[in-house]
Amino acid sequence: EDQVTQSPEALRLQEGESSSLNCSYTVSGLRGLFWYRQDPGKGPEFLFTLYSAGEEKEKERLKATLTKKESFLHITAPKPEDSATYLCAVRGVEAAGNKLTFGGGTRVLVKP
Amino acid sequence: DSGVTQTPKHLITATGQRVTLRCSPRSGDLSVYWYQQSLDQGLQFLIQYYNGEERAKGNILERFSAQQFPDLHSELNLSSLELGDSALYFCASSLGQGKAGNTIYFGEGSWLTVV
Repeated sequence: EDQVTQSPEALRLQEGESSSLNCSYTVSGLRGLFWYRQDPGKGPEFLFTLYSAGEEKEKERLKATLTKKESFLHITAPKPEDSATYLCAVRGVEAAGNKLTFGGGTRVLVKP
Repeated sequence: DSGVTQTPKHLITATGQRVTLRCSPRSGDLSVYWYQQSLDQGLQFLIQYYNGEERAKGNILERFSAQQFPDLHSELNLSSLELGDSALYFCASSLGQGKAGNTIYFGEGSWLTVV
């Protein structure tokens, strides 16, 4: 069964203080690793998909990287508007349909 | 705006009652998914439909059922509601074919409170 563990659970940053979020996963074979951003009371917003080790994707202040065991979401010079919960999810080769398995998320608070 | 539309946004109902949540997927998407999010469980996959047929099933209770109609909208029916069913229910959709179809887009959710 696919498993995803995210760390830390919560992260408090000063504006401009770069940091990284970790997503460790266990799958028999990876069909895709996904990052989402979720604001309180809202639906998850798609950020990135990564398919193979070594792959990197960037969007504004966010950069996602992937290895065979984990993914990192780097936040460079964050702003208060980057405050949200960041969710990591995987789709393994044995997952039924297009099912995604999510981690518990990392709550990020960026203070001005 | 992801393009996935869910109604109602909020509902409060009593234990033992039945409710129906409705979802319209993004234009062109053939797959619809239902997820449940509660504080202690995170996002839990319930069920997936593809072009009207059930494709995958997760931890969906027997009291819950879903279907996808010919116009591709979907409904999640929750019956004999219990206090523990209070949660945010998300519908999501994807194209469902190939790598481009792998990305799942979520709606804004339906807040269900059972009292």
